[in-house]
Amino acid sequence: NAGVMQNPRHLVRRRGQEARLRCSPMKGHSHVYWYRQLPEEGLKFMVYLQKENIIDESGMPKERFSAEFPKEGPSILRIQQVVRGDSAAYFCASSPQGASNQPQHFGDGTRLSIL
Amino acid sequence: GENVEQHPSTLSVQEGDSAVIKCTYSDSASNYFPWYKQELGKRPQLIIDIRSNVGEKKDQRIAVTLNKTAKHFSLHITETQPEDSAVYFCAASEAGNQFYFGTGTSLTVIP
Repeated sequence: NAGVMQNPRHLVRRRGQEARLRCSPMKGHSHVYWYRQLPEEGLKFMVYLQKENIIDESGMPKERFSAEFPKEGPSILRIQQVVRGDSAAYFCASSPQGASNQPQHFGDGTRLSIL
Repeated sequence: GENVEQHPSTLSVQEGDSAVIKCTYSDSASNYFPWYKQELGKRPQLIIDIRSNVGEKKDQRIAVTLNKTAKHFSLHITETQPEDSAVYFCAASEAGNQFYFGTGTSLTVIP
């Protein structure tokens, strides 16, 4: 049973470009969560999605950031017009149910570097 | 919203000794408390979790305790080994499904 798959593992962008991060949840999981981790810091919640629905985006910056989880295909975290401060590791996690007492399983993350 | 605090931020122990990491949370509605281990450059991995209807849980050398009244929970690692060296994160989950993570504890086990 493949785990949570994220790609790319590393992504380099110049300021002003767009970054697209992909996440395929574990088989049988329909709930996806995105987190951002700055160097030597903890994980900060960004957004929680189910198929075709955004359930909670309270951690997402109001501008430039968007997320989707279409009926078919991976979840996408999109960052438009990237700035230096967007450099971070972005982790995706999935769970089989959205209940608060279920573990979340993480992918290997995407390390985003902005030049 | 929930606020999770974690202490200490760094911890060094001699191989074979025990390590204890403590977390506090603010929202009494939180009912699920996982612990994750993250090695450098790798994904956070779930090592143990506890639900609010349980006071203690053990898995070999790892144990977690929960005090709902005081709103704190702790991770205990006994007979530490060098491969236990990593960053450990606690988290609390309330009804809204978010995980609120602590700021992490960098554990170093000295051979």
